[in-house]
Amino acid sequence: AQSVTQLGSHVSVSEGALVLLRCNYSSSVPPYLFWYVQYPNQGLQLLLKYTSAATLVKGINGFEAEFKKSETSFHLTKPSAHMSDAAEYFCAVSDTGGFKTIFGAGTRLFVKA
Amino acid sequence: DAGVTQSPTHLIKTRGQQVTLRCSPKSGHDTVSWYQQALGQGPQFIFQYYEEEERQRGNFPDRFSGHQFPNYSSELNVNALLLGDSALYLCASSQKAPKFIPEAFFGQGTRLTVV
Repeated sequence: AQSVTQLGSHVSVSEGALVLLRCNYSSSVPPYLFWYVQYPNQGLQLLLKYTSAATLVKGINGFEAEFKKSETSFHLTKPSAHMSDAAEYFCAVSDTGGFKTIFGAGTRLFVKA
Repeated sequence: DAGVTQSPTHLIKTRGQQVTLRCSPKSGHDTVSWYQQALGQGPQFIFQYYEEEERQRGNFPDRFSGHQFPNYSSELNVNALLLGDSALYLCASSQKAPKFIPEAFFGQGTRLTVV
């Protein structure tokens, strides 16, 4: 069965500092992996996806993530945080047929001025 | 492109009642998935519809049922509402044919409150 673990329910960084949000997955087959962002009272917006092409994936708003099979990780990073990055971030894993996508519990990112 | 649209945006129901939520997928998408997101938690997969059939189901009771129409739109029905059913219900659409695209696009959700 597939699962996702996001380490840290809350992460706080200063504006301009590195953002690192951690995600580990469990899957018996090579998965599709995603990061989504959710702003208050809104749906989820796709930041980036891994689909077995390049292991370093670049997304929108300066975010990127690296797929590390040996560590079963897919951590999200951004070199310099902006106040507008404050939101809830979800890591997700999907089977190869796209029939079921499992989400982590989420990490709330706080950005301090 | 209107994206994924859900209706209604907010809903208040009484325990024991039934509710129907609606979703129109993004143009070109043929697959609809439904999720329940309780406050402060990640989305929980309810089920997915493709070709008008339920293809996968999460760990939800039979009180939760759905339907997909020939135009790919979908409904989520919940019977015998419980207080614990209060949540944000998210609809996500994706594409399996003619080209499989794995990522899902989400609607803004329907906030259901059961009193």
